[in-house]
Amino acid sequence: GQNIDQPTEMTATEGAIVQINCTYQTSGFNGLFWYQQHAGEAPTFLSYNVLDGLEEKGRFSSFLSRSKGYSYLLLKELQMKDSASYLCAAMDSNYQLIWGAGTKLIIKP
Amino acid sequence: IAGITQAPTSQILAAGRRMTLRCTQDMRHNAMYWYRQDLGLGLRLIHYSNTAGTTGKGEVPDGYSVSRANTDDFPLTLASAVPSQTSVYFCASSDSQGPTDTQYFGPGTRLTVL
Repeated sequence: GQNIDQPTEMTATEGAIVQINCTYQTSGFNGLFWYQQHAGEAPTFLSYNVLDGLEEKGRFSSFLSRSKGYSYLLLKELQMKDSASYLCAAMDSNYQLIWGAGTKLIIKP
Repeated sequence: IAGITQAPTSQILAAGRRMTLRCTQDMRHNAMYWYRQDLGLGLRLIHYSNTAGTTGKGEVPDGYSVSRANTDDFPLTLASAVPSQTSVYFCASSDSQGPTDTQYFGPGTRLTVL
C-alpha cells in the first residue's frame, strides 16, 4: 500500500534549527512536496523535490533521497510565525498526491 | 484577487440532508480536486477533475459526487449526509495534473453532520 510517515509533533526554540523527517512508500514516484498549514487555514506550498539532493529556499530547505524513500524539511532561524503543521506529500504514478498526517511544530520563545 | 473561493465557510447539517459545497477558481487552472481533512489523518482525495467535462474518483469517493461543467467551478455534493462525513473539506486546483504542478488550496469548508 501507499504510506507516508512523519512525526506527529515537534517542539523547537525561536532562532534555532529544526528538521522534520518524512518517509514514503508509493506506487511509482513523481516527486515530494512540502506544505505549511497554519491552524484553521489552508495548506500552502513550500517546496518540491524530484531529484536527490538539497533544495534551498531562504530559511527553508528540503532534501530528498529516492533510494531511501526519505525526505526532510529543514527550517533555520526559527520564528514564532513558523508555528504550524508541515505536511509531506508524495506524488504517485497516477500523479495523485499521497499525504502524511502532518507534523505540528511548536516554537517556544 | 486571484485564487480559490469556497462556500459556505462552515455548515451544520442534519443527517440525511443533501448538501453542495461550492468551489470556484479564477486562475484558469485545468485540474481541480476535493480533499477532506480529519484529525490525525492526512488529506484524502475524494474526487478530481483533470479538465472541464471530466471527473475521476479519488481515495474516498463513496457518498460524494462532483461535476465540472466549466473550468472555474467544481461543486461537491453529498447526496444524503452521514455523521462520518463530518470533516474539513478543501478544494484545490493546479495548472494540470502533472509532477511539477503545485496545488493551490481554497480556505476550506468545515462541515458538521449531526
